[in-house]
Parts: sequence; C-alpha cells; structure tokens
Amino acid sequence: DAKTTQPNSMESNEEEPVHLPCNHSTISGTDYIHWYRQLPSQGPEYVIHGLTSNVNNRMASLAIAEDRKSSTLILHRATLRDAAVYYCILRDGGGSNYKLTFGKGTLLTVNP
Amino acid sequence: KAGVTQTPRYLIKTRGQQVTLSCSPISGHRSVSWYQQTPGQGLQFLFEYFSETQRNKGNFPGRFSGRQFSNSRSEMNVSTLELGDSALYLCASSFYSAQSSYNEQFFGPGTRLTVL
Repeated sequence: DAKTTQPNSMESNEEEPVHLPCNHSTISGTDYIHWYRQLPSQGPEYVIHGLTSNVNNRMASLAIAEDRKSSTLILHRATLRDAAVYYCILRDGGGSNYKLTFGKGTLLTVNP
Repeated sequence: KAGVTQTPRYLIKTRGQQVTLSCSPISGHRSVSWYQQTPGQGLQFLFEYFSETQRNKGNFPGRFSGRQFSNSRSEMNVSTLELGDSALYLCASSFYSAQSSYNEQFFGPGTRLTVL
C-alpha cells in the first residue's frame, strides 16, 4: 500500500477552520484518498473520500492537489467534538480494497 | 439502524489462555474486518471476511484466527495469549461492492483485551 505522511499533532481554536494536510507522493492512479477519524474511546469513523476532484460533505471538505501527491482535509468550523485522531488513507479503487491501512494519524486538539 | 456491536467490551485473561471475541455487523453488511489497536503499533489490519470466506489477511501469527457465519456475524480467536496481545480489538463492517470506490467501513466500539 502506498504510504501517507501526516503531522503528529495540530491545534485549533473552536469555531475556526482547520486544515489537516496529508502527503502521498507515491499515490497510484487507482488510489482513492480516504479520511477517517477516531474520537476518544471510540472506533474510527468515515469522514470523506475523493479521487481527483475536491469533495464536500456535511462533515468536511477534501481538497486534492492537481498532481494528487497531497491533499487537505478541511473542517470549516472546528468544534470541541472534532477533537480526534484524523487518518489519511489510500485505498485501491481497483477492486481489492478490502482493508484500511492506517498510519499514525494527526491528533487534533480543539481549544475552547 | 443498529450499529456494529462487539462483545464483550472488556476482557481480562492470563498468558497461555485463549479468547474468542464476537462481532455483529450492521444488518445487510456482508463484509467484516478485524483490526488490532495498540499504543505502539497503532491500528493494524488482522483479516477480512466476506460471505463466510476470508479474503485478506494481515501480518499476524497463526494464533490469530477468525470465522464468519451465514448471518455475517464474525468471531475472532486468539490462542495461547501473550502479554503483547493486550490491545483494543476493533471490528468493522461494510456493505461492500466491487464496483464502488466507497465501501465505507463502520467500526464498532471495540473489545479491550488485557493479558496478565
């Protein structure tokens, strides 16, 4: 599986936007970029995913670089409930995407 | 719709014993995956089952095994427990479609296993 690189931790203030970066320089053409997050004492939960175009959903936005070697998860207004570890994951869209390969993720702290 | 349930939530065992963990997926989901989470190694994939067949396996010793029943419920078994097996074991279910890039996985709350 192609690897991703994320900062170990980031800090934000409540109600401010948060930009969580992810580098994936060895991404292949069939890899989709997925983001999951894990809140304290819970299992991971899906946030968003994309291939080439920027994506928006009710939770977040995903901005993908033109060369696809990096992406940014955007939380438009951070709340205390967004404090979690955020994982950027590449999944093969070619059909054998049976598993998620988690890295260390980014621990997001949200200050009141 | 009920989420993924795992039982038991907490378990304490001693070295050398064996343990069986259970996972009930979301209704309609036929894919069940298992992950181990430890502070040192993070989240690591154990194996995945689909329609009672193991489709993929992570890099874990043979002491870790699993199975899936016809109702999609899954169990994982760890034999001859070691101290290093202490971890949070997470189960995730997915509807799974080969034509989809999505295949979102829904995780349960996990089973916290402590080996003494």
